[in-house]
Amino acid sequence: DAGITQSPRYKITETGRQVTLMCHQTWSHSYMFWYRQDLGHGLRLIYYSAAADITDKGEVPDGYVVSRSKTENFPLTLESATRSQTSVYFCASSESGAAGGDTQYFGPGTRLTVL
Amino acid sequence: DAKTTQPTSMDCAEGRAANLPCNHSTISGNEYVYWYRQIHSQGPQYIIHGLKNNETNEMASLIITEDRKSSTLILPHATLRDTAVYYCIVRDGNSGNTPLVFGKGTRLSVIA
Repeated sequence: DAGITQSPRYKITETGRQVTLMCHQTWSHSYMFWYRQDLGHGLRLIYYSAAADITDKGEVPDGYVVSRSKTENFPLTLESATRSQTSVYFCASSESGAAGGDTQYFGPGTRLTVL
Repeated sequence: DAKTTQPTSMDCAEGRAANLPCNHSTISGNEYVYWYRQIHSQGPQYIIHGLKNNETNEMASLIITEDRKSSTLILPHATLRDTAVYYCIVRDGNSGNTPLVFGKGTRLSVIA
């Protein structure tokens, strides 16, 4: 049972380069989320998706692009990486419909460094 | 902004109960209290959630005051592996899968 996986786990890139972080879940969860975590800010939502082809902005979407062509995948692209995007990125997924909202399950994270 | 207030850090002796408080004085009737934790360098992990009744599962117990303005997460027998940052999150239960809003959490250190 793979659950939710992220790749790569570590990435170093240079300013201005395009970078794509991958997220894959095996549960067929409807909802998927991308968060970033920086010292002093905790986790902040970048984008989320309620289903394939449906995405919505979170708290800090600028500089990021997402797509959801398949339910199980939710890639996050930094179109032109900046140093301020150095962070740890977490992907999460959840089912839908339960009262009280559903538990979100998080991946192991991708540590991105932009030089 | 997070709707909760938690102490920045706490210590607990191994084998003792860890009681982590959370204040959510502005909680509304349809909002649930969720607890997550994050062990160093890992993704956050769901612990428990509740609306107004006390809840218990294999990981922890959640005690919510009658006025719902505060709650306490109880780890009955803390181990060194419970050392983590614990997040108390208030979330609208009628909005489907609203994203989680994480605050700073409480850094729990379990000491041998």
